[in-house]
Amino acid sequence: KAGVTQTPRYLIKTRGQQVTLSCSPISGHRSVSWYQQTPGQGLQFLFEYFSETQRNKGNFPGRFSGRQFSNSRSEMNVSTLELGDSALYLCASSSSGANTGELFFGEGSRLTVL
Amino acid sequence: DAKTTQPPSMDCAEGRAANLPCNHSTISGNEYVYWYRQIHSQGPQYIIHGLKNNETNEMASLIITEDRKSSTLILPHATLRDTAVYYCIDTLNSGGSNYKLTFGKGTLLTVNP
Repeated sequence: KAGVTQTPRYLIKTRGQQVTLSCSPISGHRSVSWYQQTPGQGLQFLFEYFSETQRNKGNFPGRFSGRQFSNSRSEMNVSTLELGDSALYLCASSSSGANTGELFFGEGSRLTVL
Repeated sequence: DAKTTQPPSMDCAEGRAANLPCNHSTISGNEYVYWYRQIHSQGPQYIIHGLKNNETNEMASLIITEDRKSSTLILPHATLRDTAVYYCIDTLNSGGSNYKLTFGKGTLLTVNP
């Protein structure tokens, strides 16, 4: 079956703009998590959604937000972009059953803020 | 912050076994050890996980010490495609409840021809 799909794969924005990233999980997976990866900070957890509800949130400012739709697809939004928001944004999905540490990651959306 | 400690880098010859160590001395009784790897420019890939028994799958073997304070991921016959950053993570595995993975800096494994 198809893996986790993230769009767009690459995008360039300027400071102050906002961006929306999309993630389609593996069919049947109801949990979607988002991670930010930068060279300096590594992989950092942003938030996790399950059945359209945010269940867990990392230590990021309120400019970072997300949502999940009834079909489990998820979007994340970053408003008022800063240079430091340049990163690879990774989405991961998992089933709601056992082995909840087993995440399936997409290939990411690489955001460059100029 | 990550609760696991890994060497920053390791080398391995192609065809030989790669043994990647991880210290997780503060792991609690209900936390599992998970291993992921990330090949350049791709998303992380799940490899294996375990609680206290040794585990093996088609990708690797996981050896956990009896006191659970450390573990070793073994790639039995490393290939060039195994060159990646390998992450060791300890996390709850309570089936259906929310969780998050805390990644450390991992180990960059370079497989040489």
